[in-house]
Amino acid sequence: ILNVEQSPQSLHVQEGDSTNFTCSFPSSNFYALHWYRWETAKSPEALFVMTLNGDEKKKGRISATLNTKEGYSYLYIKGSQPEDSATYLCALTTSGTYKYIFGTGTRLKVLA
Amino acid sequence: ETGVTQTPRHLVMGMTNKKSLKCEQHLGHNAMYWYKQSAKKPLELMFVYNFKEQTENNSVPSRFSPECPNSSHLFLHLHTLQPEDSALYLCASSQVATGELFFGEGSRLTVL
Repeated sequence: ILNVEQSPQSLHVQEGDSTNFTCSFPSSNFYALHWYRWETAKSPEALFVMTLNGDEKKKGRISATLNTKEGYSYLYIKGSQPEDSATYLCALTTSGTYKYIFGTGTRLKVLA
Repeated sequence: ETGVTQTPRHLVMGMTNKKSLKCEQHLGHNAMYWYKQSAKKPLELMFVYNFKEQTENNSVPSRFSPECPNSSHLFLHLHTLQPEDSALYLCASSQVATGELFFGEGSRLTVL
């Protein structure tokens, strides 16, 4: 059974702080790693899809890196704002099945 | 607005009731999905439909019965549910079965 782990489970940061969280996954049969942002009472929204080892993607103040050999991805938020408060999900898709395997998410609360 | 609409947003039902959840996507996608989100657990895939044909049933109990009359609509029929079935049920769609997922806002189900 494939397992995707995210840490920490939750964190609180002050407005203006930079923060990062981790997604760990089994590296065999890797196809893609996905990051989603999920605000309360809204739908999960895709942030990044990453496929290549060493990939680095950026969207505004949010960026992500990928290491497929060791099986981890980091999500960074620079200068956190209250509107960044959400649950950040990562999901693995493997070659062959292409099914999404989700982690339990990191719940971020940015305090004003 | 992701283009995936779920109704109802909230549903309370007794164990002997029969109800249905509805999902509609306006994105022209060919694959549709039901996911279950229980507290402190990862998103769990239930069913996949690709071009209206069911391609995945993730060992879901028969008290959950999906229906996909066309590529834009997906239903989840509920019958004789148990209290432990209380959860958030998310619908998603993708262009192809290996593509990026677009989620609805979910239907919060409470079984009394």
